[in-house]
Amino acid sequence: QVQLVQSGAEVKKPGSSVKVSCKASGGTFSSYAISWVRQAPGQGLEWMGRIIPILGIANYAQKFQGRVTITADKSTSTAYMELSSLRSEDTAVYYCARPLTYYYDSSGYPNFDIWGQGTMVTVSS
Amino acid sequence: SSELTQDPAVSVALGQTVRITCQGDSLRSYYASWYQQKPGQAPVLVIYGKNNRPSGIPDRFSGSSSGNTASLTITGAQAEDEADYYCNSRDSSGNHLGVVFGGGTKLTVL
Repeated sequence: QVQLVQSGAEVKKPGSSVKVSCKASGGTFSSYAISWVRQAPGQGLEWMGRIIPILGIANYAQKFQGRVTITADKSTSTAYMELSSLRSEDTAVYYCARPLTYYYDSSGYPNFDIWGQGTMVTVSS
Repeated sequence: SSELTQDPAVSVALGQTVRITCQGDSLRSYYASWYQQKPGQAPVLVIYGKNNRPSGIPDRFSGSSSGNTASLTITGAQAEDEADYYCNSRDSSGNHLGVVFGGGTKLTVL
């Protein structure tokens, strides 16, 4: 059974950057569109973007364009999400998520059936 | 981007049936998926597509859709169903690879 294991909690200063990793184990990784979703304390879920590791193609939510970079390393089955120019409003739990089907099968998107455990990012001076 | 609207809170008596709704223009083009999230945990997919349940999800969970509204129905709600529920779908405006989530509904089982 595939698992997504994320890196540990981070505390960052305003204006800095954070890079969160998401490593897949026990299954296929590169042919899925891995998404990043965040959740501010007490708030709802917010999609940030996604990457198709086998193609190296990323797509971002308009809100985060220019501030987020999603990459992937096929050799280690790891996806990364880097968010720059951090502000207090970026304090949130960041999740990676994998949909039901490969990237070329749109019927399984965006049905995220596998999630990482979440990474808490705190932005504070 | 598109928006999905959910009622902030809904309550149901133990063993009764409850419907949680999700409204948005994107639902005229795409199915909604539904997620259950308990405090301190990652979301869990409970319904996707027309009305499909992932393995391990009880059959008391079902989904339906009409026009711009998707619904999640729990028939015979159990105490363990108390959680936040989120819908999502593909974005139908501009970025069709994008994803939009509803604001979430907090379900209380009385």
